[in-house]
Formats: sequence, structure tokens, C-alpha cells
Amino acid sequence: DGGITQSPKYLFRKEGQNVTLSCEQNLNHDAMYWYRQDPGQGLRLIYYSQIVNDFQKGDIAEGYSVSREKKESFPLTVTSAQKNPTAFYLCASSTTGGSTGELFFGEGSRLTVL
Amino acid sequence: AQSVTQLGSHVSVSEGALVLLRCNYSSSVPPYLFWYVQYPNQGLQLLLKYTTGATLVKGINGFEAEFKKSETSFHLTKPSAHMSDAAEYFCAVSGTGSARQLTFGSGTQLTVLP
Repeated sequence: DGGITQSPKYLFRKEGQNVTLSCEQNLNHDAMYWYRQDPGQGLRLIYYSQIVNDFQKGDIAEGYSVSREKKESFPLTVTSAQKNPTAFYLCASSTTGGSTGELFFGEGSRLTVL
Repeated sequence: AQSVTQLGSHVSVSEGALVLLRCNYSSSVPPYLFWYVQYPNQGLQLLLKYTTGATLVKGINGFEAEFKKSETSFHLTKPSAHMSDAAEYFCAVSGTGSARQLTFGSGTQLTVLP
């Protein structure tokens, strides 16, 4: 079945450590996104990529980094510079070129900093 | 730029009662509008979307929404609530550009009382 796979589902990290969240899609979508979700704040865009080897900052990119070396993969690294990294992270993808903008989401990764 | 306002961060209804979740948007171009549902610790699932054509849109699980341009609204309704409808609901509007990125509201948590 086509879809988006995020791993790990739960992750614990000590302060000062970097951590990388995986996102893989087999929908053949060009665009991929990372969102952060905190209670009562909806979804906030971290980074997005519309094509391989290119990506743009979203609204809250500070303390995060991404890469897009393959169409199927868009990993997110939460660096030690992120002041409050505990959150639920969602990866999504969509088509481009005439798209309605509809996003397809993964199941999410919950990061807890101890 | 576009924005979304969801009135009421928490809504409670009795099982069998009408569900009404409110969404107002602003957009400088004709919008595409979406409702997503999120169950605990899961990703977002598309309920329904409005792009063009008929302003009353039917979605999954008995939900529907009506696009009212004059009121800049896209309220979500369901005639009879079921316990399984308890979840968080997000309204979103699609902007301009090749990727038509989505802007999300802050979400409404629906509780269904027995």
C-alpha cells in the first residue's frame, strides 16, 4: 500500500543531543513537509521541499535541519540548538503542478527530551 | 497570505446530537478548503475538501461542509454524533504557488458524551 512511513514513533533524547527523524514515502510525490504539533497550537511548518536537493525554511526552522537526497526520503534532524524540542512531529507529502494542496500525512513521531 | 480561524478549541456534544465545528478563513485568491481529523498519537486524515463546483461537500464518516464565500466560512457538520467521532479536527486553507501550501487552524477537540 502507498503511504508515508515515519520512524521512530517514540523517541527519547537527552538535552544536548541531536536526533534524526525518518520520513519515507512511496506515493511518488514531489513535495514533502515537516510540521511540529504542540497542544493548542495546531500545526506549524518547519521545512518543506518541492524537489530533490532543494528545500525551504518554514515558519519555525530554527534549531532544525533537513536533507532531500532522494525523492522518497526527507529526514529531519532536531539539533541541540532547538530550545524546546519536545513535541509531536508530522511528515507529509503532496503532488505539485496543479495540485489542490492536499497533504498526505504519516503517523507521526513523538520526541521527548529528558 | 491566507489564514484560518477555528471558533472553539473544545466542543462537547451528546451522542446522537448535531456536530457543528466552525471554520472561517481569509484568502486573497479563491481558496481550496480542507477538514482533517486526528485521533490520539496519529497523523491527520482527510475528511473532505472543497476545490471548485458544488459548495456542499460530503466526506467520510457522514461529515459534510458547506463553502460560503459571502461569509468566508467552511463549517463542518454531522447530523448525529457517534462516540467514535471523538477526535481533534483541523480546518485548512490552500494558498497560491505551485505547491499550494496549506495553512492550518489551531484545531477543535471534539468530545462525545454518552
